[in-house]
Amino acid sequence: DSGVTQTPKHLITATGQRVTLRCSPRSGDLSVYWYQQSLDQGLQFLIQYYNGEERAKGNILERFSAQQFPDLHSELNLSSLELGDSALYFCASSPGQGSYGYTFGSGTRLTVV
Amino acid sequence: GQNIDQPTEMTATEGAIVQINCTYQTSGFNGLFWYQQHAGEAPTFLSYNVLDGLEEKGRFSSFLSRSKGYSYLLLKELQMKDSASYLCAVRHNSGGYQKVTFGTGTKLQVIP
Repeated sequence: DSGVTQTPKHLITATGQRVTLRCSPRSGDLSVYWYQQSLDQGLQFLIQYYNGEERAKGNILERFSAQQFPDLHSELNLSSLELGDSALYFCASSPGQGSYGYTFGSGTRLTVV
Repeated sequence: GQNIDQPTEMTATEGAIVQINCTYQTSGFNGLFWYQQHAGEAPTFLSYNVLDGLEEKGRFSSFLSRSKGYSYLLLKELQMKDSASYLCAVRHNSGGYQKVTFGTGTKLQVIP
C-alpha cells in the first residue's frame, strides 16, 4: 500500500456521461498530481494542486476539471465522455510542490462504452 | 517542449544484465527519475539522479550525463519478476514550477 488512495478502482460508463475520480494523498503530502495513461501510451500529466491551489497544468482537456479540498483530497471530473477517454487515471502525491518524491496511487481504470 | 526517447521494447534472459537507455532534450532540467510499472499497476520509484554519475541500489543502477542528455538504467541478475515497463521521467522547471514529464516507457520481457 503506497498510502495514496484512489477510488473507484474501475469505472464503466457511457459516452456523454460525467464521472468523478477521487484521490486521497499520502499522509503529510500537500501536492496532488493527476496523470492519464492510455493503452500503450506514456503517462500524460494533467494537472497539479498544492495545498488547495492549482500549481501546474498539462495537457488537460477543457471537458476535464479538478480541485483539491481543504482536507487535501482531490477530485478529477471528466465530462462529456468520449471513447478516447478510456484510460488509466493515476493520482500521485508528494510532500512539497517541487515534483520530487512522487508516490502513485493504484489508479482508476475508466472504460467508456 | 520536452522530448524523451527510450526503446519501446527489449528482451533479456533470466540471470543476465540489461541496460535501458533514455535520451532527453529539455530546458530547465532538474533531475531524472526511473520508475518500474507492471501492467495495469501503479508506477513505483526506482531511482533519481540529479548529478552526473552512477547511483547503485542493489541489482539496479542508474547513470546520468547531463551534458549529453543521457541516462541509463542497468538491471543485473535479471529475474522473471523484472518483466515490466521502465519509465524514464525528467524533472524540469516550467513556468516557474517544477514538472515531471514521462517517456513512453520501455517494455522489458525477461525470458527463461
